Amino acid sequence: EAGVAQSPRYKIIEKRQSVAFWCNPISGHATLYWYQQILGQGPKLLIQFQNNGVVDDSQLPKDRFSAERLKGVDSTLKIQPAKLEDSAVYLCASSLEGGANVLTFGAGSRLTVL
Amino acid sequence: GQSLEQPSEVTAVEGAIVQINCTYQTSGFYGLSWYQQHDGGAPTFLSYNGLDGLEETGRFSSFLSRSDSYGYLLLQELQMKDSASYFCAVRGLLDYKLSFGAGTTVTVRA
Repeated sequence: EAGVAQSPRYKIIEKRQSVAFWCNPISGHATLYWYQQILGQGPKLLIQFQNNGVVDDSQLPKDRFSAERLKGVDSTLKIQPAKLEDSAVYLCASSLEGGANVLTFGAGSRLTVL
Repeated sequence: GQSLEQPSEVTAVEGAIVQINCTYQTSGFYGLSWYQQHDGGAPTFLSYNGLDGLEETGRFSSFLSRSDSYGYLLLQELQMKDSASYFCAVRGLLDYKLSFGAGTTVTVRA
């Protein structure tokens, strides 16, 4: 089966600019996650969707980050305006259902904010 | 919330055995998972312990003791390709989030 697709793989922007990341989960996976992984740290959950509804976004900096999952399939994560501390890899993952312990991750989108 | 602690680095030679410990503080969780991440790659699922005890998958084994708030991942017959970061993770009973530790970088030397 095809894996989790993410784009772009790399993005360099200046602070205060905006950026958007796209994710296409594994077909049939109801739950989609966005994680932020800062260099040398473990992934931190930003937002979790169940179909097209938000299950958890408690760690999403809502003043600058937004995410949507229209039609319960693809998802977009946006940052506007970006800050230096947003430099990280943004990982998308999906699972069959919300309680699953096996998450399949995409290769990630590496963001550098200058 | 959940708090997980694991060593930051471990170095070993090919053929050796490495144990990566994970201690956690949580108000309740479903089980302990382990993920492997090569440099620049995606985290990939390795194992899951829902119950206390040992789970074995080939060269890798994982253990959980809920009474000790402790688990470990055992890597046997180390190979160069095992050089990677290893993360323990728990899904909370209350917040349902899958939370990861900071990761242990394993370096395998010839």
